[in-house]
Amino acid sequence: GAVVSQHPSWVICKSGTSVKIECRSLDFQATTMFWYRQFPKQSLMLMATSNEGSKATYEQGVEKDKFLINHASLTLSTLTVTSAHPEDSSFYICSANGLQGISTDTQYFGPGTRLTVL
Amino acid sequence: EDQVTQSPEALRLQEGESSSLNCSYTVSGLRGLFWYRQDPGKGPEFLFTLYSAGEEKEKERLKATLTKKESFLHITAPKPEDSATYLCAVPKELNGSSNTGKLIFGQGTTLQVKP
Repeated sequence: GAVVSQHPSWVICKSGTSVKIECRSLDFQATTMFWYRQFPKQSLMLMATSNEGSKATYEQGVEKDKFLINHASLTLSTLTVTSAHPEDSSFYICSANGLQGISTDTQYFGPGTRLTVL
Repeated sequence: EDQVTQSPEALRLQEGESSSLNCSYTVSGLRGLFWYRQDPGKGPEFLFTLYSAGEEKEKERLKATLTKKESFLHITAPKPEDSATYLCAVPKELNGSSNTGKLIFGQGTTLQVKP
């Protein structure tokens, strides 16, 4: 149980284009989903927190117009990197907290999406 | 300010050589401590949650323990497949009381087990 998937697992795009990353909780309903960014050999950096049906809360320094988050259901959240530039290249990871039947304290992580912007 | 510090930053062991990883934290009121394992190019994999001092949890060659100020991840007779980065995290509180659901992560300990 507690499986989180992400799609795509990697993506290469041209500078100026937008990229959408999906995060799904496969076998549980998630009260909250989180989006992280990770640079090589560094720990996870929280970008934003999203709850189903409401606006995402962004961490300080994260541009909300740059990183659009939509949490349409209890099992799906999407992160869209708009007008991507090479500095947006990174490893993006989502996580989800359980609603019931799964610990509501524990975050379960997806496998990550490697974004490369040329 | 809430902080999580892991040590050592990197650890090299021979197969079968047991050791411990440390995670020390400073939070006003602990609402759980989480251990994750992360392999290169993958998302963190949940290992353990500990809630109170004195609590211990085991999974295969791993045992996590918790005191009031720190947690240890003991690795007994490690194998090369235990090589990974181990992360610990604690919940981030807002105004000392409410649970934000967010986690504060340590920088991780990268473990390499050589055959």
